Amino acid sequence: DAKTTQPNSMESNEEEPVHLPCNHSTISGTDYIHWYRQLPSQGPEYVIHGLTSNVNNRMASLAIAEDRKSSTLILHRATLRDAAVYYCILRDRGNDMRFGAGTRLTVKP
Amino acid sequence: KAGVTQTPRYLIKTRGQQVTLSCSPISGHRSVSWYQQTPGQGLQFLFEYFSETQRNKGNFPGRFSGRQFSNSRSEMNVSTLELGDSALYLCASSFDSDRATGELFFGEGSRLTVL
Repeated sequence: DAKTTQPNSMESNEEEPVHLPCNHSTISGTDYIHWYRQLPSQGPEYVIHGLTSNVNNRMASLAIAEDRKSSTLILHRATLRDAAVYYCILRDRGNDMRFGAGTRLTVKP
Repeated sequence: KAGVTQTPRYLIKTRGQQVTLSCSPISGHRSVSWYQQTPGQGLQFLFEYFSETQRNKGNFPGRFSGRQFSNSRSEMNVSTLELGDSALYLCASSFDSDRATGELFFGEGSRLTVL
């Protein structure tokens, strides 16, 4: 399975944008890039996914590099409720959702 | 729409016992997958079921097993419990119209403590 690399932790100030990076240099052409997050004491929840083009939804934006070897999850205005572990995952039709260690985001008031 | 329901939420067992955990997926979802989460190993994939068939399995010993019923509800069983089996067990369901893009919906988990 293609692997992803994320920083262990990041900090952000409330109300500021947050850019969470993910490297996936061995991504294949059929791999979709998924992001999930896990808030304290909860199961993971879906954030966003994309293949080649940048994607936006009500929670976040996903910026995908032209060579697809990296991507960035963008939270436009971090709130205290965004403090969570963020997981970047590659998935195609043949495999299951395998989580890495993720990035623990701390949001400071 | 009701979310993924896992029961029981908390349970305590002793070494050597066995445990069965239950997961009711979102109505209409046909795929159910199970994960084990521990502080040391993070989220690890156990297995996935689709239409009562195990479609994929993670790297866990045979003591870990599961099944899915015709109504898509799923159970997982752990036999001969070990201290290291203490973990949060998470179930996720998806409609599975496309495995590459389908969103997983997670339950709140069953927290197992083995003494």
